[in-house]
Amino acid sequence: DTEVTQTPKHLVMGMTNKKSLKCEQHMGHRAMYWYKQKAKKPPELMFVYSYEKLSINESVPSRFSPECPNSSLLNLHLHALQPEDSALYLCASSQDPLTNSNEQFFGPGTRLTVL
Amino acid sequence: AQSVTQLGSHVSVSEGALVLLRCNYSSSVPPYLFWYVQYPNQGLQLLLKYTTGATLVKGINGFEAEFKKSETSFHLTKPSAHMSDAAEYFCAVSIGASKIIFGSGTRLSIRP
Repeated sequence: DTEVTQTPKHLVMGMTNKKSLKCEQHMGHRAMYWYKQKAKKPPELMFVYSYEKLSINESVPSRFSPECPNSSLLNLHLHALQPEDSALYLCASSQDPLTNSNEQFFGPGTRLTVL
Repeated sequence: AQSVTQLGSHVSVSEGALVLLRCNYSSSVPPYLFWYVQYPNQGLQLLLKYTTGATLVKGINGFEAEFKKSETSFHLTKPSAHMSDAAEYFCAVSIGASKIIFGSGTRLSIRP
């Protein structure tokens, strides 16, 4: 299994809702990532988990809360989002958090719309 | 600080023509460089990567890239464009453990 899966594919939520994005990989990778991508822009790193521990938080607002329950799963909990948070949210994984040359494998993304 | 610059936000070529997408990097240490492709409404897929060794790197779908240290470049090429190559292409550089940064992207269009 060489893929990263993400659910749901699409999500529409109001500013008072609480929702979660899910990501899963079964490649034995020990680094997992959340990115945010706006239209016609490159992905922007949000969070990195290394060996199930949060290692990088790129100053992301607290309305985004990541969670890594185990080495295969990554969640992003959403609460009180703003319309400007509407974007494609990408999950990725890589084999070894300590190796700079590892490529990242991306999931198909969740298209989030905040009303 | 490491960075990548992609020259040309949009490149259009005819089907069967050479594809050349430009990427220049800035790095104080030997860089690890990547090219990713993103089709509409999809995630990113790795085309190829350069770590060490051979400077001409072959990737998937007939793409290749050459690492040129003297020019700080890592341009992506394909001899003959197909309609299915239309997509967004991102050059990226590793800036530390678990972290890569992307160029601004180049949208490739293919004319019939």
